[in-house]
Amino acid sequence: RKEVEQDPGPFNVPEGATVAFNCTYSNSASQSFFWYRQDCRKEPKLLMSVYSSGNEDGRFTAQLNRASQYISLLIRDSKLSDSATYLCVVLGASNTGKLIFGQGTTLQVKP
Amino acid sequence: GAGVSQTPSNKVTEKGKYVELRCDPISGHTALYWYRQSLGQGPEFLIYFQGTGAADDSGLPNDRFFAVRPEGSVSTLKIQRTERGDSAVYLCASSGQVSSYNEQFFGPGTRLTVL
Repeated sequence: RKEVEQDPGPFNVPEGATVAFNCTYSNSASQSFFWYRQDCRKEPKLLMSVYSSGNEDGRFTAQLNRASQYISLLIRDSKLSDSATYLCVVLGASNTGKLIFGQGTTLQVKP
Repeated sequence: GAGVSQTPSNKVTEKGKYVELRCDPISGHTALYWYRQSLGQGPEFLIYFQGTGAADDSGLPNDRFFAVRPEGSVSTLKIQRTERGDSAVYLCASSGQVSSYNEQFFGPGTRLTVL
């Protein structure tokens, strides 16, 4: 079983739609969680950190459920520019800053 | 300011050859990471440097892979006797410190193709 699992999609949605991505992680000792965005043939970039209380950044909302070891990302009012791969990321428990990535979920927003 | 840079951007080599991939981290960043990303997958951790020393090399797949960071800045990932399965994008990332999480900034990657 992979340490971080995501549905690879693709998710094809119209502009303006709300879309949600989910992710599960296997190591209950994990402490820090993130969503990264990766455009086609580009490097990953941090989108947002994920906190237990949930956090919001504009149209993006991230949630963490430690009991279920489940992380989510909600995108409201999708834009064409949101088309990308969204990577669920967990900080490894070894305290070296090692990041453990999910496979990524591909989002295609269509006009 | 300048981000993480990696050279070459593309490398095509033949099976059995030796390759070196270079990473220039953001100036002043002490932590440096190498990851490998295969098509359709997320990046996979290879090795982490804190300063000059490799603090965690648990992700290196086998002894054909080796990395150095002799002066605590530029790092080189070395792959001996390349195999077709080594074909991937090799990503380098750096961050300011690692005792508490600091964002890792990724370079554009080196796309390695082994024929």
